[in-house]
Amino acid sequence: DAKTTQPPSMDCAEGRAANLPCNHSTISGNEYVYWYRQIHSQGPQYIIHGLKNNETNEMASLIITEDRKSSTLILPHATLRDTAVYYCIVRVAGSSSGSARQLTFGSGTQLTVLP
Amino acid sequence: EPEVTQTPSHQVTQMGQEVILRCVPISNHLYFYWYRQILGQKVEFLVSFYNNEISEKSEIFDDQFSVERPDGSNFTLKIRSTKLEDSAMYFCASRGAGGPNTGELFFGEGSRLTVL
Repeated sequence: DAKTTQPPSMDCAEGRAANLPCNHSTISGNEYVYWYRQIHSQGPQYIIHGLKNNETNEMASLIITEDRKSSTLILPHATLRDTAVYYCIVRVAGSSSGSARQLTFGSGTQLTVLP
Repeated sequence: EPEVTQTPSHQVTQMGQEVILRCVPISNHLYFYWYRQILGQKVEFLVSFYNNEISEKSEIFDDQFSVERPDGSNFTLKIRSTKLEDSAMYFCASRGAGGPNTGELFFGEGSRLTVL
């Protein structure tokens, strides 16, 4: 699985958009970009994933550059409860063929939402 | 919303004792995982399990670790003889089957193991 690079920490004002960058310059064509977050030692929580198109769900938006070498997770209106470590992970998606395809977590970005 | 549940939430044990951590994955999921996180460090993969056998395991998952799905609902992690360095938060996760556009892992809240 391709390696990712994220800034170690970021701050964001409450109510503003939080934009979390991730570099994955060695990503290959069949690898997806996944984002998870971990709120203070709780279990990691899935946020969103994408292959090459931008994606949006109720939690966040994922913008992937055309060359797929980087992406940005956007939390449109950050709240204090969004303070967490955010992990960008690149890997081949799971399939029904029996491959368990585990995730490899890096150090992530500690996002602190300030009041 | 379905969730992965783990017990106990916290266990304190003496070095050399056996520990079993239990997990109830989401009911229709087919893939199961154990991860651990030593305080202040990264979340580390231990083992994945599919079709009643280990699919992948990391270097951490040595002979003192074992996993089992004894009754079709529980998924357990056993540490045979605990060491001080086994103190960590242990997370269970599960994933459903699906095509190539899936892969979301659902994690439990963790079991904190303290070895004295």
